[in-house]
Amino acid sequence: AQKVTQAQTEISVVEKEDVTLDCVYETRDTTYYLFWYKQPPSGELVFLIRRNSFDEQNEISGRYSWNFQKSTSSFNFTITASQVVDSAVYFCALSEAAKGYQKVTFGTGTKLQVIP
Amino acid sequence: EPEVTQTPSHQVTQMGQEVILRCVPISNHLYFYWYRQILGQKVEFLVSFYNNEISEKSEIFDDQFSVERPDGSNFTLKIRSTKLEDSAMYFCASSYNNPRLAGWSSYNEQFFGPGTRLTVL
Repeated sequence: AQKVTQAQTEISVVEKEDVTLDCVYETRDTTYYLFWYKQPPSGELVFLIRRNSFDEQNEISGRYSWNFQKSTSSFNFTITASQVVDSAVYFCALSEAAKGYQKVTFGTGTKLQVIP
Repeated sequence: EPEVTQTPSHQVTQMGQEVILRCVPISNHLYFYWYRQILGQKVEFLVSFYNNEISEKSEIFDDQFSVERPDGSNFTLKIRSTKLEDSAMYFCASSYNNPRLAGWSSYNEQFFGPGTRLTVL
């Protein structure tokens, strides 16, 4: 069975600080996908990134960066120079690829509050 | 850009009433999903649907729930007799997956709709 753990329930940072959101996952599959989603107060799920299990290369997109380490089963997300608009709940998620479709398992989310 | 749409955005109902949540997946997608998020909690998988059949369902998806693709465009989630604990945000999603492939080569993006907030009074 697949499982995603986000140990940080809530984080508060002051604007312009860097913040890292932790994600640890469990899966028996060798082929899987990892995701991060942002959920602003309006409630929709905003897709941020997807990585497959064969690609451990770190990725940077503007102020966002992701660190994928298979050895520790972690997929951490860093926001550099945080802004108030980054305030949201962030979900890490996992999908196994063995089946022909993708059921996504979400973590419990980390609520990020960026204080001006 | 194609997107998944859901109606209504907010549904209020009385306990014991039937509700139907509607979704219009992206037109060439073959797999459809429903997820549920109780307020303040994580998003949970309910059911996946392909070729007019349920392909997988979670333990949450009991006999009170049913899904249907009544025509070529809509995908619905019906709750027969709502309970207070059914109050949640319900997300529809769809993906295009080649059913003849498995493994990572078959991956196609799963697109989520904006959600329907269901309030049961």
